[in-house]
Amino acid sequence: DAGVTQSPTHLIKTRGQQVTLRCSPKSGHDTVSWYQQALGQGPQFIFQYYEEEERQRGNFPDRFSGHQFPNYSSELNVNALLLGDSALYLCASSLAETGEETQYFGPGTRLLVL
Amino acid sequence: RKEVEQDPGPFNVPEGATVAFNCTYSNSASQSFFWYRQDCRKEPKLLMSVYSSGNEDGRFTAQLNRASQYISLLIRDSKLSDSATYLCVVNQMDSNYQLIWGAGTKLIIKP
Repeated sequence: DAGVTQSPTHLIKTRGQQVTLRCSPKSGHDTVSWYQQALGQGPQFIFQYYEEEERQRGNFPDRFSGHQFPNYSSELNVNALLLGDSALYLCASSLAETGEETQYFGPGTRLLVL
Repeated sequence: RKEVEQDPGPFNVPEGATVAFNCTYSNSASQSFFWYRQDCRKEPKLLMSVYSSGNEDGRFTAQLNRASQYISLLIRDSKLSDSATYLCVVNQMDSNYQLIWGAGTKLIIKP
């Protein structure tokens, strides 16, 4: 039973560039949430996808967008990268009917913006 | 005031000691509470959900005080492997989907 997977594991970009991060949820899960975790901080909720739609969004600018595919996998896109976007990006999957208690995290993608 | 606040760390504790973490939350309507553990350069993993009546899992005890908007985690007989960052997590009032995380408290267990 595969857990949550994310790719790539590490990424280096320069200011102004665009990045796409990918997440495959745990088998049987239908909901994907994305978080940004800066060094020394707790994760900050970006948004959640369910049934291929954004269901809830945190306090992040429109430069952050996402998508969920029919197979429940998801992408996080960040445009016009800023230095402050450097962080660990975590994907968490869950089953809608059981809610956040069953949220499982992937290993994350470490993004460095130079 | 931050929505979820935790004790600043790090906590340096000798092996075998008891350690307590505290967490306060600002939204009185919050319903779900959790403790997560995060090892260095790893993803967070759910340690315990926190129930109104308090709950225990082996050496770990979690308690909730709704009146004071306060959550605690107690670790007894600490092990070297308990060294990690402990994150307090609370659900958002107007949504069951958005979790609000504390900044975490780093625990270092020394032999």
